[in-house]
Amino acid sequence: AQSVTQPDIHITVSEGASLELRCNYSYGATPYLFWYVQSPGQGLQLLLKYFSGDTLVQGIKGFEAEFKRSQSSFNLRKPSVHWSDAAEYFCAVAPPGTASKLTFGTGTRLQVTL
Amino acid sequence: GAVVSQHPSRVICKSGTSVKIECRSLDFQATTMFWYRQFPKKSLMLMATSNEGSKATYEQGVEKDKFLINHASLTLSTLTVTSAHPEDSSFYICSAFSGAGANVLTFGAGSRLTVL
Repeated sequence: AQSVTQPDIHITVSEGASLELRCNYSYGATPYLFWYVQSPGQGLQLLLKYFSGDTLVQGIKGFEAEFKRSQSSFNLRKPSVHWSDAAEYFCAVAPPGTASKLTFGTGTRLQVTL
Repeated sequence: GAVVSQHPSRVICKSGTSVKIECRSLDFQATTMFWYRQFPKKSLMLMATSNEGSKATYEQGVEKDKFLINHASLTLSTLTVTSAHPEDSSFYICSAFSGAGANVLTFGAGSRLTVL
């Protein structure tokens, strides 16, 4: 069965600092990979996705993620964090060919200090 | 862009009562919608796949008699938590593909259920 691990439950960074959120997955083949962001009391907003091709994907709000097959990882990065980035971030995987059966990681809560 | 609306956003009910949560696709038709449950400080768990005009498909371990799903039209799916108990308190989120051929899910803002 597929699984997603986000090893960092909570991360605190200063505004303007760089950010990397880790995501590792376990899956038989290369799955579809996603990063979502959830603000308090809100639904999920898609930041970016990887299906195939270029392993460095660009998303909204200045986020990017890199797929590394050898490490089964899909880490999320941002070069300069803004206070408004404080939220919960979820990595998710789905079987290749369909984005319907998402399996989510447990999330990483990002706190931004001014 | 595609919008999925959930109502109510918050609901408080007494133990033993039933609560209905609506999920609407506002500017597109959704033949399939998905219902997730999110526990505090936990990830999202897929509960069921809601299919327009047919029975929902429930994930293993989800009680279909407790969580009734109806998808009566191409823009509306409802989740009814029957005979709710405090352990049913949770954040329920629906999602849908924003049209034929779409391969990314659009999520609603969620509904927080508190059972007293």
